[in-house]
Amino acid sequence: AQKITQTQPGMFVQEKEAVTLDCTYDTSDPSYGLFWYKQPSSGEMIFLIYQGSYDQQNATEGRYSLNFQKARKSANLVISASQLGDSAMYFCAMREATIQGAQKLVFGQGTRLTINP
Amino acid sequence: NAGVTQTPKFQVLKTGQSMTLQCAQDMNHNSMYWYRQDPGMGLRLIYYSASEGTTDKGEVPNGYNVSRLNKREFSLRLESAAPSQTSVYFCASSERGRGRLEQYFGPGTRLTVT
Repeated sequence: AQKITQTQPGMFVQEKEAVTLDCTYDTSDPSYGLFWYKQPSSGEMIFLIYQGSYDQQNATEGRYSLNFQKARKSANLVISASQLGDSAMYFCAMREATIQGAQKLVFGQGTRLTINP
Repeated sequence: NAGVTQTPKFQVLKTGQSMTLQCAQDMNHNSMYWYRQDPGMGLRLIYYSASEGTTDKGEVPNGYNVSRLNKREFSLRLESAAPSQTSVYFCASSERGRGRLEQYFGPGTRLTVT
């Protein structure tokens, strides 16, 4: 069974610093996708970034980048120049399978990030 | 453009009562999903619908049923609610296929079963 592990329950970072949120995964499927979602205190889930297993380069989306190390099965999220609004829960998720086109996601337990002024 | 909407936002049920959570999307997506999120945990897939007319079980389907009413709407029914079903329920939708097809989530329904 596929599995996602986020080992940092909580992180505290000073504003403007960079932060790395860890995510390791386990799968035997050579084709998979990794997603990061942000969940602010208001509760909604916001898509941040995606990395496909066959993508040659690490994904970047503005201040977000994904440090994808396939051999180590890790897909860490890097947030540069953190802002107070980055305080939230962050979830790593893996596409477990594509069944008739539906993407079944498996989520990690999340990391609560707090940005201090 | 509303995206994914869910009703109700909050609900309190007594053990044994039934209810239906409603979800609708206006993005013309083929695939729709129901998740639950328990405190301190990530989301877990309850049921999904790859396309109109099809539904299938996810990781935690016991105690739930779903209906894909049409392309826009996907409902989740609790026939006999139990305290273990106290959770936040999220509906999501996505395009159908592979690759970077992110799921768009609704605002969630906070359900308490006493």
